[in-house]
Amino acid sequence: SQTIHQWPATLVQPVGSPLSLECTVEGTSNPNLYWYRQAAGRGLQLLFYSVGIGQISSEVPQNLSASRPQDRQFILSSKKLLLSDSGFYLCAWRSQLNSPLHFGNGTRLTVT
Amino acid sequence: GENVEQHPSTLSVQEGDSAVIKCTYSDSASNYFPWYKQELGKRPQLIIDIRSNVGEKKDQRIAVTLNKTAKHFSLHITETQPEDSAVYFCAASPRGSNYKLTFGKGTLLTVNP
Repeated sequence: SQTIHQWPATLVQPVGSPLSLECTVEGTSNPNLYWYRQAAGRGLQLLFYSVGIGQISSEVPQNLSASRPQDRQFILSSKKLLLSDSGFYLCAWRSQLNSPLHFGNGTRLTVT
Repeated sequence: GENVEQHPSTLSVQEGDSAVIKCTYSDSASNYFPWYKQELGKRPQLIIDIRSNVGEKKDQRIAVTLNKTAKHFSLHITETQPEDSAVYFCAASPRGSNYKLTFGKGTLLTVNP
């Protein structure tokens, strides 16, 4: 069966520091991969999605970037965090069009 | 692009009552409509989904209905229990976008014992 791993679970970082969140999927090949952000008590904001290695689509221009160095690995990065980057970051995957989206357990990021 | 409106934003019911959450979508080409449940501090989890060739789908106490003509779909929870308390999100998958799901803003459901 397929599983998705996301780490770390929680992170506290100072303003201006770099960020790297990692997500891996097991048990499937060539998944579509996604990064979402959820502010406290708010909805799901799509940040990036990828349909293949090295293919990244950005939904919201900001100081974040994403990379997909391997088929089942998706990384969210920032060179300098802002206070507004605080939130709950969720990695997700789906196998094909019109199939369910499966979320990782999320990373709660607090920028201080 | 697709726009999904979800109502109500909050819903409070007594245990045993039914709860209904409604969503409308704008892109008539959308053909996949999942519902997610998110408990506090946890990830959203799929509870039921429906495709546009089906008008209704049921799984125990949960059902989803789809009206393609009116471009709306609804989640129905019967015999609600306190553990049903959570935020519920609807979503639509526009055929044209190929890869994205557009989510509603969520409904906070509280089931009072």
